[in-house]
Amino acid sequence: SQQGEEDPQALSIQEGENATMNCSYKTSINNLQWYRQNSGRGLVHLILIRSNEREKHSGRLRVTLDTSKKSSSLLITASRAADTASYFCASIQGAQKLVFGQGTRLTINP
Amino acid sequence: ETGVTQTPRHLVMGMTNKKSLKCEQHLGHNAMYWYKQSAKKPLELMFVYNFKEQTENNSVPSRFSPECPNSSHLFLHLHTLQPEDSALYLCASSQARGQGYQPQHFGDGTRLSIL
Repeated sequence: SQQGEEDPQALSIQEGENATMNCSYKTSINNLQWYRQNSGRGLVHLILIRSNEREKHSGRLRVTLDTSKKSSSLLITASRAADTASYFCASIQGAQKLVFGQGTRLTINP
Repeated sequence: ETGVTQTPRHLVMGMTNKKSLKCEQHLGHNAMYWYKQSAKKPLELMFVYNFKEQTENNSVPSRFSPECPNSSHLFLHLHTLQPEDSALYLCASSQARGQGYQPQHFGDGTRLSIL
């Protein structure tokens, strides 16, 4: 079954604005990760947040985790054209099995 | 450059052909993975190898046959594929299990089209 479900499926904003993407999941997690995928490329790991953390920052990225609601959000501040990509949340089942959502397709308009 | 190289980048084959996808990682990792990415479906894990041993087969049809001769190389042998097997096949690597969670590093994939 699909673990993560991202919302919205597609998001289009102006350069410089903030972009927020949400992810919901169904089962208990040890950690949740966010990945980016540029068109025609593989996935790139962005950030990992553990189940005992509520918020984590990395550069212009801010991730929150609410385990009571089984949800996470990824905020990209001061967006740039280069941020145009698909963004996926993923949780780990067992030792190594990453379970991905369907992703949010983000478009940054110049 | 992600440190994970996949070849070929594109492959078109008939349903009766036999072909192989190749993945090589230069990151010193001991775990390697195959994923399938289809349009409008979440990324699906297919196989996991740790120290050359297969540790996960996610109910993948036998027409997909993985091979991991060493920790740096991973192959996916294909034969008698179906049109629904057309997808982007992604390889990834990471430190092996038992070493704490490590993020996975992905190659750019092989775009496979079955005629």
